Amino acid sequence: QKEVEQNSGPLSVPEGAIASLNCTYSDRGSQSFFWYRQYSGKSPELIMSIYSNGDKEDGRFTAQLNKASQYVSLLIRDSQPSDSATYLCAVNYGGSQGNLIFGKGTKLSVKP
Amino acid sequence: GAGVSQSPSNKVTEKGKDVELRCDPISGHTALYWYRQSLGQGLEFLIYFQGNSAPDKSGLPSDRFSAERTGGSVSTLTIQRTQQEDSAVYLCASSQRRGGETQYFGPGTRLLVL
Repeated sequence: QKEVEQNSGPLSVPEGAIASLNCTYSDRGSQSFFWYRQYSGKSPELIMSIYSNGDKEDGRFTAQLNKASQYVSLLIRDSQPSDSATYLCAVNYGGSQGNLIFGKGTKLSVKP
Repeated sequence: GAGVSQSPSNKVTEKGKDVELRCDPISGHTALYWYRQSLGQGLEFLIYFQGNSAPDKSGLPSDRFSAERTGGSVSTLTIQRTQQEDSAVYLCASSQRRGGETQYFGPGTRLLVL
């Protein structure tokens, strides 16, 4: 059973702080990793994708991948109240199936 | 071009009725996915279409659920004899080529079975 685990939260951080969201996955054959943001009542939207070990930065967002530890994280610097949402980690295990396996999401709350 | 579109945006039906949900993927995207998201829950994979290949139906929860994709573009998810536990948001996503690439989601159809 391929699994993607996230802490459900809620994770509460003050405005301007760094929010750290974590995700672990069960299958070492995983190839692609994604972070989606989902506002309440809305559909998921892509924040970051990462395919190689290390860090990938895009604006205030940094994705970190460690395949040896089967761990992927998302850091949000200078958190804003508008970042308050549920963050979904998704992993593609490759092979013939194309679907992503999603974690249940971590709810982030940024307090002004 | 336009993003993924879904219709209807909301659907209320009575238990036992059949419903059809429609998804129009991003033009040129060959992969199309259906997911279900119950209130406060994560995304549950239902079915995946890739080009003209046979769909991956491994996520369909029962034989009351089926999906088609006509002409490699628009897809319809059909739920027969709806049950109250089918109430959820049904999300469609598409990606450009093979599976594993970035998936772009539609706004979803909120289904309520009374």
